[in-house]
Amino acid sequence: AQTVTQSQPEMSVQEAETVTLSCTYDTSENNYYLFWYKQPPSRQMILVIRQEAYKQQNATENRFSVNFQKAAKSFSLKISDSQLGDTAMYFCAFKGSARQLTFGSGTQLTVLP
Amino acid sequence: DTAVSQTPKYLVTQMGNDKSIKCEQNLGHDTMYWYKQDSKKFLKIMFSYNNKELIINETVPNRFSPKSPDKAHLNLHINSLELGDSAVYFCASSQGDRANTEAFFGQGTRLTVV
Repeated sequence: AQTVTQSQPEMSVQEAETVTLSCTYDTSENNYYLFWYKQPPSRQMILVIRQEAYKQQNATENRFSVNFQKAAKSFSLKISDSQLGDTAMYFCAFKGSARQLTFGSGTQLTVLP
Repeated sequence: DTAVSQTPKYLVTQMGNDKSIKCEQNLGHDTMYWYKQDSKKFLKIMFSYNNKELIINETVPNRFSPKSPDKAHLNLHINSLELGDSAVYFCASSQGDRANTEAFFGQGTRLTVV
C-alpha cells in the first residue's frame, strides 16, 4: 500500500517570500502521478500542480513548482512570491495502479502580511 | 456553473437518524468518488464508481451506502448515524480513473452528529 507523509503540520511565510512544503511517499510502483492540492478556508479542494513519475522535468505552474526526486521518493512544492490568497491547507497526494488518490496529512500554510 | 455540487453544505442531525448527501457533476465525467475528511483534516477514499459501477469500496461500515442513479450523480446514504460519523464528506469526479486523471472536488458537506 502507498503512504504519503507530510512532516510539516504548519508553516508560515512572509508575503512575497518563497516557501517550500515537503512531501515523501512510499511505493513499489514505477508509473504513478503525484499531486498537490490546496484547500483554502472555503473548504474547496483545488488542484495546484501534478507530476508524472516518468518525467524527469519538474512541473511548474506560474508561481508554483515542484522538486521531484524519484529515487528519494520526495515531492516538495515551492511557492514563489507568496500571496495572502495562498493561505490554505496543502495536501500532497499519490495516484497509481490502485486508481485512487492517497493523501498526506496536510500542511497548513499561513502567509503573513 | 458549479462543476461538482453537493447538497447540503451543512448537515446537523441526531444520533440514530438516517441522512443522505447528494452529489451531481456537470463535467461529463464517468467516474465519481466519495472522500471523508476527519477532524484532523485527513482525507480518505470511501467509494469510487465508474459508469455507475462500484469499483472501490474501502473499509467503510455498511451503514454507508452509495447510490449512483446515473453517471452524473453519486449520492451517499448513511443509516443509524453515530457521533464518529461527524466529518466533512467530499464528492469528486474524473474522466476515467487512471493515474493521470485530475479529480474535481465538490465544496464538501460538513456533517455534525449530535
